[in-house]
Amino acid sequence: DAGVIQSPRHEVTEMGQEVTLRCKPISGHDYLFWYRQTMMRGLELLIYFNNNVPIDDSGMPEDRFSAKMPNASFSTLKIQPSEPRDSAVYFCASREQGGDYGYTFGSGTRLTVV
Amino acid sequence: AQTVTQSQPEMSVQEAETVTLSCTYDTSESNYYLFWYKQPPSRQMILVIRQEAYKQQNATENRFSVNFQKAAKSFSLKISDSQLGDTAMYFCAFRKVQGGSEKLVFGKGTKLTVNP
Repeated sequence: DAGVIQSPRHEVTEMGQEVTLRCKPISGHDYLFWYRQTMMRGLELLIYFNNNVPIDDSGMPEDRFSAKMPNASFSTLKIQPSEPRDSAVYFCASREQGGDYGYTFGSGTRLTVV
Repeated sequence: AQTVTQSQPEMSVQEAETVTLSCTYDTSESNYYLFWYKQPPSRQMILVIRQEAYKQQNATENRFSVNFQKAAKSFSLKISDSQLGDTAMYFCAFRKVQGGSEKLVFGKGTKLTVNP
C-alpha cells in the first residue's frame, strides 16, 4: 500500500485566497483524521470521519475551515479565506476499524499564508 | 482534563548508546492505548511503538521498548544501540475516548539528536 497520500506537499498562498488540501487514506481504513501542527500549539485534531461521516469537528478553529469526505478514498480540508495565522503543517491520518487504534499519517502539507 | 507531558524538550545521545525519553499522562480510564511517534526532519509521522494499558507486559519493537508504569501514569521510551537515523522529534500520544468521540492527544515532543 502507498500509505496515506497528501497533496500538495507545500502550499504558499496570499491572505484571503482559498486553499484546498487533499488526502487519500489507506484503502480499507474506515477512519480519517485531519490534524494541524504548529510550534505554539503542537499537534491538534481538527476533525475526523468514520465511514465518510464527520464525527467530531470541535477542533475546527472557525467557520473559515471546512472538510469533506465524498467517498472512502478522498477527503479535502478547505480554508476560505486564508489568513497568516493559518500557516502550519496539516496532516491527514487514517486507521482501520478496531485493531490497535494506531493512526497512519501522511507526509503533511506545509501551508504558508503571506 | 487528559493531558500528555513530555518533560524533556531536547536530548542528545552518542551513537550506539541507550537513551530514555520520558512521558507522563493523566486519565481516569482503566483501559486505554498509548503510542510513541517519531517525526524525522522529513516531517513524516511514524508510529514507533504502541501499548495497551490492559497488558502488563511492556511493548518491544526491535531496538525500541517502553517502560509502562500504569500506577504512576508513566510511559517512557527506551532506544537501545542508538543510530544516526534515530535523530528526530519523538511524540508521546494517548488515545482519548469521550462521548463517542476519539482522538490521539499528543505531548509537545522531545527533540533527540544522535551524535556520531
